[in-house]
Amino acid sequence: NAGVTQTPKFRVLKTGQSMTLLCAQDMNHEYMYWYRQDPGMGLRLIHYSVGEGTTAKGEVPDGYNVSRLKKQNFLLGLESAAPSQTSVYFCASSYAKQGQGWADRFTRFFGQGTRLTVV
Amino acid sequence: ELKVEQNPLFLSMQEGKNYTIYCNYSTTSDRLYWYRQDPGKSLESLFVLLSNGAVKQEGRLMASLDTKARLSTLHITAAVHDLSATYFCAVGTGNQFYFGTGTSLTVIP
Repeated sequence: NAGVTQTPKFRVLKTGQSMTLLCAQDMNHEYMYWYRQDPGMGLRLIHYSVGEGTTAKGEVPDGYNVSRLKKQNFLLGLESAAPSQTSVYFCASSYAKQGQGWADRFTRFFGQGTRLTVV
Repeated sequence: ELKVEQNPLFLSMQEGKNYTIYCNYSTTSDRLYWYRQDPGKSLESLFVLLSNGAVKQEGRLMASLDTKARLSTLHITAAVHDLSATYFCAVGTGNQFYFGTGTSLTVIP
């Protein structure tokens, strides 16, 4: 009963380094999302995907890229990390086409988070 | 863009007391969610409210929705230490989600 799994859980990067965060879900959800959480600012949407092979920009997309090559995986990439990208990153998924009530379809299910520090 | 405001941002309350967290939003919405986040943990879905007047209860937490006032409340009854967490409301419209800034609740013995 894994749900949404993120790797890694913690990471420290030097400014200018690159990395990829992996999100995997086993709920057959169509939609996946990447959020960042900063103190006093709630969660802000970085990018999202409404299906395999699709991606779209969210509220704060600059400095990030994403890919959804497989339905169950959503990758978040930082090409050249900056200290402003120090944050906690959450992946979420939602919307299975069958087997859920209408309201539950859009409920986001979250991973456990990745704490990223850029020095 | 839809704005979601929660208050208070920080709440310290004694065990056994009651209190209410408020969530206001700026435009019409399909539904309203409440999430709980424990320190260093992920977000856990608590309630989904769909219609005006909807009320849902789970243990010591009760959530309600007034779509005309664009207001949801999360009422805590007889608080216990285990309820210490950050509570987020999120407003949904279509597939969009807009989170409030969260209310950090500390229940003091």
